[in-house]
Amino acid sequence: EAGVVQSPRYKIIEKKQPVAFWCNPISGHNTLYWYRQNLGQGPELLIRYENEEAVDDSQLPKDRFSAERLKGVDSTLKIQPAELGDSAVYLCASSPAHRGSTDTQYFGPGTRLTVL
Amino acid sequence: AQSVTQLDSHVSVSEGTPVLLRCNYSSSYSPSLFWYVQHPNKGLQLLLKYTSAATLVKGINGFEAEFKKSETSFHLTKPSAHMSDAAEYFCVVSSANDYKLSFGAGTTVTVRA
Repeated sequence: EAGVVQSPRYKIIEKKQPVAFWCNPISGHNTLYWYRQNLGQGPELLIRYENEEAVDDSQLPKDRFSAERLKGVDSTLKIQPAELGDSAVYLCASSPAHRGSTDTQYFGPGTRLTVL
Repeated sequence: AQSVTQLDSHVSVSEGTPVLLRCNYSSSYSPSLFWYVQHPNKGLQLLLKYTSAATLVKGINGFEAEFKKSETSFHLTKPSAHMSDAAEYFCVVSSANDYKLSFGAGTTVTVRA
């Protein structure tokens, strides 16, 4: 069974430029998460989708970050414009969980973003 | 509210010796607890998971963890370290019926030949 797929694996951009990350979850997993992991820290949740609905985006900096999951399968996370402090690893995870349940989250390899 | 404290930021062991990674948690409700491992430039991989069944949980690659409610701990152990165990380990907590994961700061494990 294929795991969570993310692309690109690495991205280097200059500040004020836009950037987008793509995630394809495990087949059949209706819940998708985006996390940001700063150097030397654990991941922090940015947004959670159930199918195509963003059910928790309270930690997403909405002035510059946006996300979509139009068909309830793959998802895109965008930053526009990027700032130096956005340098981090962006992780996507998926689970078969439904609202109110605890289920194992399966993580992709992440996209390492460097903003110069 | 829930949180995790990993008591050691770095652990160094010799190959073939036991590994102990310490984790204390705080949770208002019955917790689910996880250990994830992250190898360099790789994604997070689930080692094991506790969800109110047996308090001693066995995971992959010879790891196990014991849930101790009285001590609010969930320490990870392995009897004999292998070079491939060198990685970052995260203790994670979520409350029952809640998807939100709270990660510890991580423990870096190095294995000496």
